[in-house]
Amino acid sequence: DQQVKQNSPSLSVQEGRISILNCDYTNSMFDYFLWYKKYPAEGPTFLISISSIKDKNEDGRFTVFLNKSAKHLSLHIVPSQPGDSAVYFCAASAQGGSYIPTFGRGTSLIVHP
Amino acid sequence: GAGVSQSPRYKVAKRGQDVALRCDPISGHVSLFWYQQALGQGPEFLTYFQNEAQLDKSGLPSDRFFAERPEGSVSTLKIQRTQQEDSAVYLCASSLGTSRANEQFFGPGTRLTVL
Repeated sequence: DQQVKQNSPSLSVQEGRISILNCDYTNSMFDYFLWYKKYPAEGPTFLISISSIKDKNEDGRFTVFLNKSAKHLSLHIVPSQPGDSAVYFCAASAQGGSYIPTFGRGTSLIVHP
Repeated sequence: GAGVSQSPRYKVAKRGQDVALRCDPISGHVSLFWYQQALGQGPEFLTYFQNEAQLDKSGLPSDRFFAERPEGSVSTLKIQRTQQEDSAVYLCASSLGTSRANEQFFGPGTRLTVL
């Protein structure tokens, strides 16, 4: 039972255009969300996060939007660069316990020059 | 400074063999996590340490899996009597504190292949 779903396994975008990566979740107890970026043969690296008290968080070219009623979040990358080509994981955690994040399966982004 | 390191980077084991995977977290990091990432999947939580205390081991798939962090620094994940379904990348992550706002820093992982 996938509590965090990334339904697009891959996405191809032209350099300079916007990349939009989507993530859906089913657990209504999730209240903190993260995006990680992973290059081949490396571990994931933290990109950006958002708490459920917000609906948007921006960091440079990266913006995460959260729609709590739809249990949906998205990561926007503008403008996309070839170095952004990587696998992006969405993760979510709930209050209580040790805040262990639950990860989606990832979306492979390819940015073409 | 150095990031999280893991060794070995690659391990091939015959079915039934025991393996030990090592994680060296960032110095001073209190929290340490182990994850299992199967092919085409996201990382799945295995176990969590706060210093030397194993606070959560709910993700360990069977009693063949055992983890320790005896001095609150280096951690070892041991898998006994390996099975083919144990083939995966095992990721270790550490964070400075215990809040979920503390960023988790991941190591490069150990790719385990069980033949």
